[in-house]
Amino acid sequence: RKEVEQDPGPFNVPEGATVAFNCTYSNSASQSFFWYRQDCRKEPKLLMSVYSSGNEDGRFTAQLNRASQYISLLIRDSKLSDSATYLCVRFSGGYNKLIFGAGTRLAVHP
Amino acid sequence: ETGVTQSPTHLIKTRGQQVTLRCSSQSGHNTVSWYQQALGQGPQFIFQYYREEENGRGNFPPRFSGLQFPNYSSELNVNALELDDSALYLCASSLGQGDYEQYFGPGTRLTVT
Repeated sequence: RKEVEQDPGPFNVPEGATVAFNCTYSNSASQSFFWYRQDCRKEPKLLMSVYSSGNEDGRFTAQLNRASQYISLLIRDSKLSDSATYLCVRFSGGYNKLIFGAGTRLAVHP
Repeated sequence: ETGVTQSPTHLIKTRGQQVTLRCSSQSGHNTVSWYQQALGQGPQFIFQYYREEENGRGNFPPRFSGLQFPNYSSELNVNALELDDSALYLCASSLGQGDYEQYFGPGTRLTVT
């Protein structure tokens, strides 16, 4: 079982739609989680951190459910510019590395 | 931009050859991590360098090696290239070894034929 698993998509949604991605992880001792965004053929960029209490940044909301070991990302009022791959990431402090899921592709169309 | 630079941007090599990729970290960052991203996959951790010492390694064979220099820039060397080594190689710099906030460079796209 992969350490971080995501639905690869693609999710094809119209502008203005609300879309949600889920991600599951296998290491219950994990402490830190993130969502990264990666545009086609570009480097990943940190989108937001994920906390048990939830984290909201404008149209984006991230949530961590430790009991079920899943992380979610909600995007409201989708824009064309939101089209990208969203990577679910766990930080492994013991090994100082980021562990990435394979990513979920989002395509927002007019 | 993150201030992390990588060279070259693209590279084509033949199976069996050796390659060296370079990374300059963001000013003030003493830690560099290297990742390999195959097509359709998320980045996979190769290793990390902190103050010129290897500080953690992923599941990659010894033919993947690295260096970090006193100015904290870094090199990734891959010997005996295989077709499966074709990927985007990303380096990321951070303030310290335990810092989860890593800033990625634009990557080097390596194609092995």
